[in-house]
Amino acid sequence: QVQLVQSGAEVKKPGASVKVSCKASGYTFTRYYMHWVRQAPGQGLEWMAIINPSGGSTSFAQKFQGRVTMTRDTSTSTVYMELNSLRSEDAAVYYCARASPEGHGFDYWGQGTLVTVS
Amino acid sequence: DIQMTQSPSSLSASVGDRVTITCRASQSISSYLNWYQQKPGKAPKLLIFAASSLQSGVPSRFSGSGSVTEFTLTINSLQPEDFATYYCQQSYSTPAWTFGQGTKVEIK
Repeated sequence: QVQLVQSGAEVKKPGASVKVSCKASGYTFTRYYMHWVRQAPGQGLEWMAIINPSGGSTSFAQKFQGRVTMTRDTSTSTVYMELNSLRSEDAAVYYCARASPEGHGFDYWGQGTLVTVS
Repeated sequence: DIQMTQSPSSLSASVGDRVTITCRASQSISSYLNWYQQKPGKAPKLLIFAASSLQSGVPSRFSGSGSVTEFTLTINSLQPEDFATYYCQQSYSTPAWTFGQGTKVEIK
């Protein structure tokens, strides 16, 4: 069965960086794009970025350009998202989510990683 | 970016009710519209993709309709496990996926 397992909660100071991992299993890692979505406390969902695990190409939401880096390790089927220059408004739950085979929507999600900036 | 607006922001309903949530896009998105359900402390779950296609494993009481700029999620015969927050998402303009602000379905 498809599973996306994310790394644990993080507490960071303003100005620091955080790196969140997402380990995929149960499917061919390189066949499906992976997204990152975040959710601030009590707020809605915000798309951040996408990576092609096959070639490693990435695209980012404009507001995160220059502050987010996404990488992948095909040997461990893991995607990484690093957010730099953290500010208080970056406090959120960060999710990885697989792009569905039909190309619409995100069909499997990680459990979420809480990032606290304080 | 394409703006997605859901209405209402919240609603109260009883078990067995039929519930309808609307999502409007700021420009045409054809049928590139998806619906998610999210329960507190959990990741979102894909319910409907491409406006009206039911994701595998999702109960048939959920249905979606619409195209261009106006879309609807309908839950027939609301069940206790359906009380949650629902989000629409456009996948027309990529790479700039956007979500609606959410609709919270509460117990009356």
